[in-house]
Amino acid sequence: GAVVSQHPSWVICKSGTSVKIECRSLDFQATTMFWYRQFPKQSLMLMATSNEGSKATYEQGVEKDKFLINHASLTLSTLTVTSAHPEDSSFYICSARDSLPRLKETQYFGPGTRLLVL
Amino acid sequence: QQPVQSPQAVILREGEDAVINCSSSKALYSVHWYRQKHGEAPVFLMILLKGGEQKGHEKISASFNEKKQQSSLYLTASQLSYSGTYFCGTEIGGNTPLVFGKGTRLSVIA
Repeated sequence: GAVVSQHPSWVICKSGTSVKIECRSLDFQATTMFWYRQFPKQSLMLMATSNEGSKATYEQGVEKDKFLINHASLTLSTLTVTSAHPEDSSFYICSARDSLPRLKETQYFGPGTRLLVL
Repeated sequence: QQPVQSPQAVILREGEDAVINCSSSKALYSVHWYRQKHGEAPVFLMILLKGGEQKGHEKISASFNEKKQQSSLYLTASQLSYSGTYFCGTEIGGNTPLVFGKGTRLSVIA
């Protein structure tokens, strides 16, 4: 099946620093990628939709200036958590949708990035 | 709008069957089923697109009702490896993001 990678898998940072998370589709092109956040024992909550070559669409309540998304190519989207605080500690997961019409319904998830802000 | 999943949790002995339901107040474009193990990302199980559709294999299958408002995931003769949290993700239109239910925690014990 299609493979999506995320880097880093784990990050610990001090409060006030910025953290960049990369999401890559390894064997397919993805015009659309999605960023989710999951707190312990909760569901995945959509943060934003990332479209290649255009601005991301953020869900209500998600600060676009705090969570910067860049989808610079068909295989890479980045999420930057700026001025991270302890309440931003979470499991961040990206997903990508294959651009091929026959496969576009399926979303493939990356392995996730655990962020701990001290 | 978040789909409603039920039950919230279920405990099974190996070999027993389980059904997990996912419902929406509006007709859906698709339903996706995922399983997530603790500390890991969700793993795609299957997608249903057509009303009245049933798919999967003997052990894990799913259905999508005619009105496309309800889907059920069927786990037959459960194995220890089936343990995890099952999420349904729903789309209201093509190429829209998935909205996930709150999940059903399944524990299979020997």
